[in-house]
Amino acid sequence: KAGVTQTPRYLIKTRGQQVTLSCSPISGHRSVSWYQQTPGQGLQFLFEYFSETQRNKGNFPGRFSGRQFSNSRSEMNVSTLELGDSALYLCASSLIPGTRGETQYFGPGTRLLVL
Amino acid sequence: EDQVTQSPEALRLQEGESSSLNCSYTVSGLRGLFWYRQDPGKGPEFLFTLYSAGEEKEKERLKATLTKKESFLHITAPKPEDSATYLCAVQARGGSGNTGKLIFGQGTTLQVKP
Repeated sequence: KAGVTQTPRYLIKTRGQQVTLSCSPISGHRSVSWYQQTPGQGLQFLFEYFSETQRNKGNFPGRFSGRQFSNSRSEMNVSTLELGDSALYLCASSLIPGTRGETQYFGPGTRLLVL
Repeated sequence: EDQVTQSPEALRLQEGESSSLNCSYTVSGLRGLFWYRQDPGKGPEFLFTLYSAGEEKEKERLKATLTKKESFLHITAPKPEDSATYLCAVQARGGSGNTGKLIFGQGTTLQVKP
C-alpha cells in the first residue's frame, strides 16, 4: 500500500510570493492534517480536513489556508510568504474520526525555503 | 493548556547500552499517545499508539509504556541504526468534538555509537 505522498519535495520562493503544496493520503484514509516543523518551534499543527471540511485549525495567521477535495487529496496555500515561513511542511493522513486516538501517518514533507 | 515535554533533549549511547526516553504530558482528556521516529530530512515514522494507563507495546528493541502522567520509550541493546529523533505526541478530547490534532513534544535526539 502506498504511503502519504507530498509534492513538491523542495521549493525555493522569495518573500511576498505565494506557494501551494499538495498531499495525497494513504488509500482509504479520509482525514488529512498539516503540520509545520521548524528547529525552534518543533512540529506545530496547522489544520485538519475530513470530508472536504476543515475540522480544526491551529494558531497560524490567515495567510495559511487549505482545502480538501472529494478524493481526499489536500492542498495547503501560503500567501505573501515571509522569511519565517521557511520550514518542513508535513502532511499526515488517518482513517476516519473516532472516539479513540486516530493514528496519523506522515508523508516525507515539503521543504520550503523563503529568500 | 495541553502540553508535552520530552527528556532528555539529546542522548548518546554506546551500542548495547539500554536506556529510556521520557514523555510527560498534561492534557484535558487523553485519547491517545503516539511515538514516532524521525530521521533527518524525512517525515515522522509511526511506532506506537497507547490509549490508557498501564498499556505497553513492543516492537523489536523498543517498548513503550504509559501512565496517567507520562510515557516511556525503553530501548534495549540499541544499535547504530536506532539513531534518530524520537517524537512523542498526544491527542486530546475536544470540547466541541474530537479531532486528529497532535500536540508534539520537542523530541529526543538519540545517537548510538558502535
